[in-house]
Amino acid sequence: EAQVTQNPRYLITVTGKKLTVTCSQNMNHEYMSWYRQDPGLGLRQIYYSMNVEVTDKGDVPEGYKVSRKEKRNFPLILESPSPNQTSLYFCASSLRGSSYNEQFFGPGTRLTVL
Amino acid sequence: GQQVMQIPQYQHVQEGEDFTTYCNSSTTLSNIQWYKQRPGGHPVFLIQLVKSGEVKKQKRLTFQFGEAKKNSSLHITATQTTDVGTYFCAGRSNFGNEKLTFGTGTRLTIIP
Repeated sequence: EAQVTQNPRYLITVTGKKLTVTCSQNMNHEYMSWYRQDPGLGLRQIYYSMNVEVTDKGDVPEGYKVSRKEKRNFPLILESPSPNQTSLYFCASSLRGSSYNEQFFGPGTRLTVL
Repeated sequence: GQQVMQIPQYQHVQEGEDFTTYCNSSTTLSNIQWYKQRPGGHPVFLIQLVKSGEVKKQKRLTFQFGEAKKNSSLHITATQTTDVGTYFCAGRSNFGNEKLTFGTGTRLTIIP
């Protein structure tokens, strides 16, 4: 089944404790991205990747890191999480660039930073 | 930077009434996409519009892209309980990067 998976689905952590949220897709998509969703603010793009080893900042990249060493995986790293990073995070992928290709979203990761 | 606003933020309608959400960008868009997110779910792609003035229909849903490619709308005729959810528009500016900006979303609730 074609899908985007994220792990973990739920995470409660404390300020400053490094964490990684994994994202994987099995559709051979080139484009992958991370979004955070907050009430009243919609979905805001954190980082995106056009292909392996090619990443770029979205609208809210501060406090996050990403890597794209393999085509199927695009982990999101929070080196030193803070409470303002408490949010619902979505990973998405599309065949090629965002312009003319639908985004397929993962199920989401709800992160709470205490 | 590019901003995409949607109005209204919330809409409550009686089942059977029509619903419209509007999307406005601060910059010209190369295309616009619409997504639906059911409560507790993830966004799911509905449609994409590319041409200036384009209109597309999917059953009871009608999507429009403005002539200036800076605004768009989604209209649902005779809403049903299955239409409940949050509707997002998303667009890429004409400035050459691959950043996708989502609107703030319109949450639709249906009163049976």
